[in-house]
Amino acid sequence: DQQVKQNSPSLSVQEGRISILNCDYTNSMFDYFLWYKKYPAEGPTFLISISSIKDKNEDGRFTVFLNKSAKHLSLHIVPSQPGDSAVYFCAASKGKAAGNKLTFGGGTRVLVKP
Amino acid sequence: NAGVTQTPKFRVLKTGQSMTLLCAQDMNHEYMYWYRQDPGMGLRLIHYSVGEGTTAKGEVPDGYNVSRLKKQNFLLGLESAAPSQTSVYFCASSYGGPVRGDTQYFGPGTRLTVL
Repeated sequence: DQQVKQNSPSLSVQEGRISILNCDYTNSMFDYFLWYKKYPAEGPTFLISISSIKDKNEDGRFTVFLNKSAKHLSLHIVPSQPGDSAVYFCAASKGKAAGNKLTFGGGTRVLVKP
Repeated sequence: NAGVTQTPKFRVLKTGQSMTLLCAQDMNHEYMYWYRQDPGMGLRLIHYSVGEGTTAKGEVPDGYNVSRLKKQNFLLGLESAAPSQTSVYFCASSYGGPVRGDTQYFGPGTRLTVL
């Protein structure tokens, strides 16, 4: 069973508007969450993360929100730019005791239209 | 500082052939990982290592072997390739020190086709 799910396989948004990507998880042992961005023919690159002791983390245009009770996190991109067109993966970790292993969602493909 | 590099970038194998994928990192990271990415399935962990000389199974280890003889290198081997192993393979590394460092840094990937 998938422990981390991204239920929207794709998202289309106009340049300058907000992109909201969602991610749900089932395992309450996850205590650290990350978002990665992936362009075609490249490896994933780290975007932003959040610890389970926080409910929000912001870095420039990117903000991640965590709702522990709902086991849900979201990534907001404001404003969206054409260069943000990529596949976004959310990932969850149980920390060093579990080898810092990450469990990934299936990804959401974002298209930002000029 | 090259980060994480992978060799080769592309490879085509016939069923039953063997090959080794090489991953190298220059960040002095303790932990290294091999993933495969298939359409719609995200990245799935094949094997990982928490230090030189150690390896452990991930989510999808069958058909693969790994070795970590040097801290900076992590090798992924396919002894008898099957068409189901057609995929894009990514290597990653993470800090693994006393301060928490869950962030993994990825290589550019190897696209493998098994005919």
